[in-house]
Amino acid sequence: QVQLQESGPGLVKPSQTLSLTCTVSGGAISRGDYYWNWIRQSPGKGLEWIGYIYYSGSTYYNPSLKSRVTISVDTSKNQFSLKLSSVTAADTAIYYCARVGFYVSWYFDLWGRGTLVTVSS
Amino acid sequence: EIVLTQSPGTLSLSPGERATLSCRASQSVRSSHLAWYQQKPGQAPRLLIYGASSRATGIPDRFSGSGSGTDFTLTISRVEPEDFAVYYCQQYDRSSYTFGQGTKLEIK
Repeated sequence: QVQLQESGPGLVKPSQTLSLTCTVSGGAISRGDYYWNWIRQSPGKGLEWIGYIYYSGSTYYNPSLKSRVTISVDTSKNQFSLKLSSVTAADTAIYYCARVGFYVSWYFDLWGRGTLVTVSS
Repeated sequence: EIVLTQSPGTLSLSPGERATLSCRASQSVRSSHLAWYQQKPGQAPRLLIYGASSRATGIPDRFSGSGSGTDFTLTISRVEPEDFAVYYCQQYDRSSYTFGQGTKLEIK
């Protein structure tokens, strides 16, 4: 079955760029059946949707984060990635990748296990 | 942005009791666009209910969802020991998603 796995540094310095990758196994991103998302969870803000990408490269971001977020896709590696620039302590969170259906895109039916990213000097 | 407010913040029940969790939206949400998730410590959220009332694959029938407009409810008919967790509602509107702050279901 399809599985999602986040990876990347667990510690990022303030003002730097957070970079994470989600590897999709058991199904090809390029099939076009899903949008691929990033979501984060922090004690202060709860669950917060960051944005999504389609295999074609089209994206949509949370307006509150849009100026700092870039999501990209590499279909040859079956991966998609998140970059969040100019991070502060408020960006400390567990970051999840998740999918929503292309035709029914109202809910997240599959999540990765999440990865904790701490912003600290 | 549609804000979801869940109540109560914490619900203390004994196994076998009925649990009723509420999710109120700041403006009307299409029923098809409302979902519920369960999260246990150290795990990612798991989809329970979509379309306000449809159970996801493998979810026991003691879980049910209802509601429309701005008021939605998740009901667990008889709480099992494995149901103690945090529950979140989530909505979709104009290509964006928001979550409620969660209700913690704890053992009384």
